[in-house]
Amino acid sequence: DTEVTQTPKHLVMGMTNKKSLKCEQHMGHRAMYWYKQKAKKPPELMFVYSYEKLSINESVPSRFSPECPNSSLLNLHLHALQPEDSALYLCASSQSGTKETQYFGPGTRLLVL
Amino acid sequence: DAKTTQPNSMESNEEEPVHLPCNHSTISGTDYIHWYRQLPSQGPEYVIHGLTSNVNNRMASLAIAEDRKSSTLILHRATLRDAAVYYCILLSGTYKYIFGTGTRLKVLA
Repeated sequence: DTEVTQTPKHLVMGMTNKKSLKCEQHMGHRAMYWYKQKAKKPPELMFVYSYEKLSINESVPSRFSPECPNSSLLNLHLHALQPEDSALYLCASSQSGTKETQYFGPGTRLLVL
Repeated sequence: DAKTTQPNSMESNEEEPVHLPCNHSTISGTDYIHWYRQLPSQGPEYVIHGLTSNVNNRMASLAIAEDRKSSTLILHRATLRDAAVYYCILLSGTYKYIFGTGTRLKVLA
């Protein structure tokens, strides 16, 4: 099973709301990733967790807060977002992060009003 | 960081081979070349990857130039289901995927 699941599929939120995106994998992978993808652009890396510890933060604004409660689960907490944060948020996982294939989820399409 | 360049779009007739090029002139010796594709409203899907030698799998073939400054993804017989954006990616460092701008492949029936 090479499936990464993401919930919700769609999310609409106001600029004062707090919401969370969830990502789950049951492949035993120890590296998990958050990407942001604007329309007609390639995905851009936001965060990388390796063995449940944050390894990479690509200078993402603090209104995005990642969390990795266990090796199967990755959350992205959202607070005080701006309309320009509207995008497709993709989660991915890989075995351990060392130059290997990443498996992507279907994404959460976020609209900030 | 190494970067890749790809044509914005390409067209192919159904049942014909497709060659999707990618330039990565600043590739370093340890960077892997990965190809993914993204169908509408879906996450990227792994297609193939390689380091120095040409690679084949059930989905496609990857031809890597001898100097590694370019590569070509080959779909042997395009189908309508192959219409997607194809990304050429350098895996630079431990985790970091550097996506190219992607090639939008249109398959004509």
